[in-house]
Amino acid sequence: AQSVTQLGSHVSVSEGALVLLRCNYSSSVPPYLFWYVQYPNQGLQLLLKYTSAATLVKGINGFEAEFKKSETSFHLTKPSAHMSDAAEYFCAVRNAGNMLTFGGGTRLMVKP
Amino acid sequence: EAGVTQFPSHSVIEKGQTVTLRCDPISGHDNLYWYRRVMGKEIKFLLHFVKESKQDESGMPNNRFLAERTGGTYSTLKVQPAELEDSGVYFCASSQDRFSGQGRDTQYFGPGTRLTVL
Repeated sequence: AQSVTQLGSHVSVSEGALVLLRCNYSSSVPPYLFWYVQYPNQGLQLLLKYTSAATLVKGINGFEAEFKKSETSFHLTKPSAHMSDAAEYFCAVRNAGNMLTFGGGTRLMVKP
Repeated sequence: EAGVTQFPSHSVIEKGQTVTLRCDPISGHDNLYWYRRVMGKEIKFLLHFVKESKQDESGMPNNRFLAERTGGTYSTLKVQPAELEDSGVYFCASSQDRFSGQGRDTQYFGPGTRLTVL
């Protein structure tokens, strides 16, 4: 069975600082991996996805994630946090049947 | 292009009552998914429709939950009778194509319905 672990349910950074949100997965087959973001009072929005092409994936709003098979990780980064990045972030892996298995989510807080 | 819409946005009901949630997928999307997030837990898969057929309903918690997708368009999720543990946010998502891997397999989510059972 596939699973996703997000380290840290809450992460706080200062505006302008590096954002690093951690995601580790387990999968018996080459995974399709996703990061979604949920802004307050909104639905889940796709940030980026890995589908076995380039291991460094660029997404929207300056975010990117690197697939590391040896570490079974897909951490999300952004060089410089902005106040508007405050949201909850979800890492997910897709199985053969197309259902998504999500991590517990990480709430990002950005301090001025 | 309109996104995935869900109705209602919030619902507060008493234990034992019935509630029906509705999801309208993106036009032309054959695949429709229901997920649920119970407070403090992960978002979990409930079921998957391909057009009007249930492809996978392995995540449905019990027979108090009934999902339908009439004519392969909108879907409803009925909870009858509701229990306290059914409280949470119910998300709907849709995708155009499961197998293409050309972006058409991306699941687009609606804003969710927050269900509170008292």
